Order: sequence, then structure tokens, then C-alpha cells
Amino acid sequence: GDSVTQMEGPVTLSEEAFLTINCTYTATGYPSLFWYVQYPGEGLQLLLKATKADDKGSNKGFEATYRKETTSFHLEKGSVQVSDSAVYFCALLNTGTASKLTFGTGTRLQVTL
Amino acid sequence: GAGVSQSPSNKVTEKGKDVELRCDPISGHTALYWYRQSLGQGLEFLIYFQGNSAPDKSGLPSDRFSAERTGGSVSTLTIQRTQQEDSAVYLCASSLERYNEQFFGPGTRLTVL
Repeated sequence: GDSVTQMEGPVTLSEEAFLTINCTYTATGYPSLFWYVQYPGEGLQLLLKATKADDKGSNKGFEATYRKETTSFHLEKGSVQVSDSAVYFCALLNTGTASKLTFGTGTRLQVTL
Repeated sequence: GAGVSQSPSNKVTEKGKDVELRCDPISGHTALYWYRQSLGQGLEFLIYFQGNSAPDKSGLPSDRFSAERTGGSVSTLTIQRTQQEDSAVYLCASSLERYNEQFFGPGTRLTVL
């Protein structure tokens, strides 16, 4: 079945540091890939998405590139802010086999001054 | 316009009681999903509705769990004879059509004592 693996957290960074959160997936066919973010006390929000190989999703300074050859969708940001502190979830939607999102376990990011 | 809303935001119940959780999707969204977020299991898919039909119920953990959707809009998730392991945040999401971006509600935090 489909699965998503993302790096264990928590990740603690100083403000303005570079962020990478690794995400790899297993799926048949050609899934769409997503990063969702959950800020403290809030619901899940879509951060960015990519629907086919080599697509780059970007939003709020975050980027992720759909790499089919390495089955990866790593999240990056060049300079994090304290306000980026949240839990980040990588997810896939396999339109060939299901309508549901399959999520990774989430990575908590804590950014300090 | 309004986003996905869920009620109640918090529910505390005693073991063995029945609970009903409500989801109001974004107007016009034909697809509706229920997920569960718990410490031990992460984010898990429960059930998917297309209109009033549920073509995928594969994530419902036991026959104590059921859901319905009426008028192609509001959905209710019912848990009968609640157990402590049912304690979790129950998330509802909707999308315009199957396979489109899913928008999440704020969730209902269920605590079973």
C-alpha cells in the first residue's frame, strides 16, 4: 500500500537558519504530493503541492520538488522565522487507487531567536 | 467564503457512551473526508463521501464507528460505546471534486474518560 516516511522531529533551529525536512514515499502510479502545516492550536493548512514529476511547489518561502527518481519531496526554506514553528506533514494522494490522503507522521519544527 | 466547520470543538465523554461529531463542508464541495489524529497513530483516514454515498469506508476501525452524509452537505460521525482508545482529534475535510485539494476543518477533540 501507499506510505509516506518523513524525518523524525523535533527539529530545532535558530532564526534565519536553513531548513530541510526529508520526505520519501512509496506508491503505485503517479501520486500528487503535498506538504500540510499545523500551527499551534490550529487546523491543518495546505502549504504547497506538486502533481507531477519535477514540479516544484512553493509558498511563503517554502519549496519542495517532486523527485520521481528518488521518490522524494523534501521541504526546504532558506531562512526560517519564529513564526514558522509548527508541525509539518508530508502527504500523498494516489488518484489511481484512492481518494484519501496518506500522511507521514509529522515533523515538529521549533525556531528560536 | 466560510471554511469547513466542525462541532463540537471539544467533547469529553464517559467510556461506553455514544457520541456524534458534526462536519459542515465548504458549500458546493461534493467530496467529504473524515480523518483521525492521535498520538500513537498519527493522521489516519476513516471514510470518504462522494455526495451522500460512501465509496470508501476502509479506514473505519470497528463497527462501533459509522458516518452519514445528508443533502450532499453536512456529515455526522457517530461512535457507539466509546472506548478510551477512541480519544483523538477527529478532522473533517472537503474538496470540490474527488482528487482535488482537501480543505480541513479545525477538528473535534474527543476525550473518553
